[in-house]
Amino acid sequence: NAGVTQTPKFRILKIGQSMTLQCTQDMNHNYMYWYRQDPGMGLKLIYYSVGAGITDKGEVPNGYNVSRSTTEDFPLRLELAAPSQTSVYFCASIPGGTPIPYEQYFGPGTRLTVT
Amino acid sequence: GNSVTQMEGPVTLSEEAFLTINCTYTATGYPSLFWYVQYPGEGLQLLLKATKADDKGSNKGFEATYRKETTSFHLEKGSVQVSDSAVYFCALSDLQGGSNYKLTFGKGTLLTVNP
Repeated sequence: NAGVTQTPKFRILKIGQSMTLQCTQDMNHNYMYWYRQDPGMGLKLIYYSVGAGITDKGEVPNGYNVSRSTTEDFPLRLELAAPSQTSVYFCASIPGGTPIPYEQYFGPGTRLTVT
Repeated sequence: GNSVTQMEGPVTLSEEAFLTINCTYTATGYPSLFWYVQYPGEGLQLLLKATKADDKGSNKGFEATYRKETTSFHLEKGSVQVSDSAVYFCALSDLQGGSNYKLTFGKGTLLTVNP
């Protein structure tokens, strides 16, 4: 069981470039999340998904897009990278299905720098 | 809306010292409360949780009690070790608000334990 995996670990982008951050979980979890972590600011929710084909915006969705074509994968797309998107990005998942406060399982993160 | 306020860091302690990290919250419904820990270079992992008032969560010598009357969930450990050096996040999941699968995080508290 690999849990939640993210690629790449590090990336440097130039302003205006695009990229996709990959997230995969092998736990058959329904719910998946993307967060960004800025220094001293905690984690902010970008997008989340309650199952394949269903996604919704979090607190800070501007500049990002997501898709969920399978249960396992939840990629995050940056279309026109901006310096404000320099951050560490975390993907997380939970089983979902019943109204119980599940533990969120986090990936190791992707450190993105936009210059 | 929901919010979590936790003690500003950084916190620096000597080994075997007593640790308290304060956390207070506001929520519209009946939240579940969590402490997550992030070791250097890693993603977040659940440290402990409490799902209702007066519950005590505990793990690895850490404890926190859900105090509804003071809307608090302070993290404590009687004797810290160097290996406890990490960032600690307080978080809530609000069942009543229909967002029980989303977490609201505090800003995190960096703990450094010196030998």
